[in-house]
Amino acid sequence: GESVGLHLPTLSVQEGDNSIINCAYSNSASDYFIWYKQESGKGPQFIIDIRSNMDKRQGQRVTVLLNKTVKHLSLQIAATQPGDSAVYFCAENMSGGYQKVTFGIGTKLQVIP
Amino acid sequence: KAGVTQTPRYLIKTRGQQVTLSCSPISGHRSVSWYQQTPGQGLQFLFEYFSETQRNKGNFPGRFSGRQFSNSRSEMNVSTLELGDSALYLCASSPRTGVPSRSYEQYFGPGTRLTVT
Repeated sequence: GESVGLHLPTLSVQEGDNSIINCAYSNSASDYFIWYKQESGKGPQFIIDIRSNMDKRQGQRVTVLLNKTVKHLSLQIAATQPGDSAVYFCAENMSGGYQKVTFGIGTKLQVIP
Repeated sequence: KAGVTQTPRYLIKTRGQQVTLSCSPISGHRSVSWYQQTPGQGLQFLFEYFSETQRNKGNFPGRFSGRQFSNSRSEMNVSTLELGDSALYLCASSPRTGVPSRSYEQYFGPGTRLTVT
C-alpha cells in the first residue's frame, strides 16, 4: 500500500489495550478540532471532532480531550483493534464560514495482535 | 451514496509539464477542498471552492490553480511542474451551506498520486 509518511511518530499498542494519541496545535483562535484516520492507500476519514468551548467529547470507542491552556489535543481509543492500525491526524479549523483545515504531521498507530 | 471520486489515481509527468486533476464530490456537496500530502510536509491545504467561487487559499505558488463547475465537480491544475510537486493530491467535499457552521466535516477521496520526473 501507499505510505503516507516515512518519518512519522509511531505508537505500538497491544490489541485490546487503550491507545492515546497526542497532538499539539498552534492557533489559539481555532474553533474546531478534528481527528482523522488514514489507512494505507485511502484518503483521511473523519473520526470525531470537538469544539473549542468543550473539554471532552466521546464517540464510539473514541474520546477526544482538549486542553486549551497548553494547546493540546488527544485521541483515546478504547480496546484497540487491528483495524485501528492507521495514521491519525489532528486538524484545526477556524470558523467564519470558510473551510481551511490545518493538519498536524500525523501519528502512525500499529496494533500488535 | 457514492463517495468522493478522483481521477486519475496515478499520474507520471515530466518537469515543466502541466497537469489537471479532477474531483467529483459527493452528490449534494457544494464545497470542495484540495490538499497536497507529502511525507515531509504532511497534509497541506491548497484551496477551497464553494458554488464555483474560490473561498480560501493556502500558501502555494500561483502555479497551483483550480476551478469548480456548476455541478460542483472541481479540477486543479499545476503548471510548470517541479520535482517537489510529487505528492498525493487529495480532494475533500463537505456539505457546508455557505454560512458559518459546523461545516468542517469533510469526506476525502482516495487521492491522485502524482510523480514528477
